[in-house]
Amino acid sequence: QKEVEQDPGPLSVPEGAIVSLNCTYSNSAFQYFMWYRQYSRKGPELLMYTYSSGNKEDGRFTAQVDKSSKYISLFIRDSQPSDSATYLCAMRKSQGGSEKLVFGKGTKLTVNP
Amino acid sequence: NAGVMQNPRHLVRRRGQEARLRCSPMKGHSHVYWYRQLPEEGLKFMVYLQKENIIDESGMPKERFSAEFPKEGPSILRIQQVVRGDSAAYFCASSPPTGENTDTQYFGPGTRLTVL
Repeated sequence: QKEVEQDPGPLSVPEGAIVSLNCTYSNSAFQYFMWYRQYSRKGPELLMYTYSSGNKEDGRFTAQVDKSSKYISLFIRDSQPSDSATYLCAMRKSQGGSEKLVFGKGTKLTVNP
Repeated sequence: NAGVMQNPRHLVRRRGQEARLRCSPMKGHSHVYWYRQLPEEGLKFMVYLQKENIIDESGMPKERFSAEFPKEGPSILRIQQVVRGDSAAYFCASSPPTGENTDTQYFGPGTRLTVL
């Protein structure tokens, strides 16, 4: 079983739709959760960072963490064509001395005008 | 541009040659990480360095790969005797010193290595 599972999609939605992206994980040691956006042939860009269960909102983006279910989500409201990218979930264990991130494979999203 | 810098952006090598990838972290950041992204795969951790120290190299292949982050200058990821399977995008990330919100990592634009 992989540590982090993420449906690769692709996911295609019309402009203005609400998008839901999800990841599950198997190791309860993960404590810090991030979502990155990666445009084609570019580096990942940090979108959201959370470390507790519950919701965190930033503009059109909401990150949700459910540690009891080992499940995280990213919601995008009023999606725009410029949101078309690959979305990567990432997480980190709270271990001293090692800061590596473990990533999902990414979900490719296309928002159609 | 105060972001993470990587060069070259594209690198073509023939099998058996050496590849050197360079990374300059964001200003004020002293932690550097290298990740590899194979086609249709997510990013995989390779190595985590602080100035003059390798902290975690658990993701680095034992043969042919090495990394350094000297006191002065950029971090270098070196791949000796490259093979076609080394073709990938290599990303560098940096984060601030311990105690200053080290939970977030900021990525560079990547170096795309093609081995012919």
